[in-house]
Amino acid sequence: DQQVKQNSPSLSVQEGRISILNCDYTNSMFDYFLWYKKYPAEGPTFLISISSIKDKNEDGRFTVFLNKSAKHLSLHIVPSQPGDSAVYFCAATTYSGGGADGLTFGKGTHLIIQP
Amino acid sequence: NAGVTQTPKFQVLKTGQSMTLQCAQDMNHEYMSWYRQDPGMGLRLIHYSVGAGITDQGEVPNGYNVSRSTTEDFPLRLLSAAPSQTSVYFCASSRTSRYNEQFFGPGTRLTVL
Repeated sequence: DQQVKQNSPSLSVQEGRISILNCDYTNSMFDYFLWYKKYPAEGPTFLISISSIKDKNEDGRFTVFLNKSAKHLSLHIVPSQPGDSAVYFCAATTYSGGGADGLTFGKGTHLIIQP
Repeated sequence: NAGVTQTPKFQVLKTGQSMTLQCAQDMNHEYMSWYRQDPGMGLRLIHYSVGAGITDQGEVPNGYNVSRSTTEDFPLRLLSAAPSQTSVYFCASSRTSRYNEQFFGPGTRLTVL
């Protein structure tokens, strides 16, 4: 049973527009959420995170929103740039888990920025 | 800082062979972990370590062994390779087990025939 779901395998957005990537989770014990970006033949790189005590976290062009009641989070990228074309993974964990949980990843969304 | 390094980048094995995937980090991170990524799947945790001398199992540990004799190194051993272990393997590290922004290595692509 998938605990972190990214239901859009791919998303195409025009350069300069907003990209919105969605993620749903089922495990109510998750209290810390992260987004990773991955280029082909490279390891994932950390992008942004949010704790369950917040509903929004912003870092430059990237904003993550968390709706705990809906068990839903989203990553907004504004404005979208060609270098943003990559696979984006949503991940979740229990911050107090001491590492035992590791990160539970979604399957990823391939974002394609069209010129 | 080299960050997290993994060797080899690619490997082809025959069923039943054994091998060790190497992982090293130079950031003095306490926490290290191994993930595997299969096509169309997210990454899944194999084993992790919260410090030198301490290891534990993740979600998919069967067929793999790990050890952590130093802070820097965290090798992953395949005891008897099976085709189901064909995957891309990522090593990751973070400052402490509670600091979850993990840094990933570039990955090892393993094919078992």
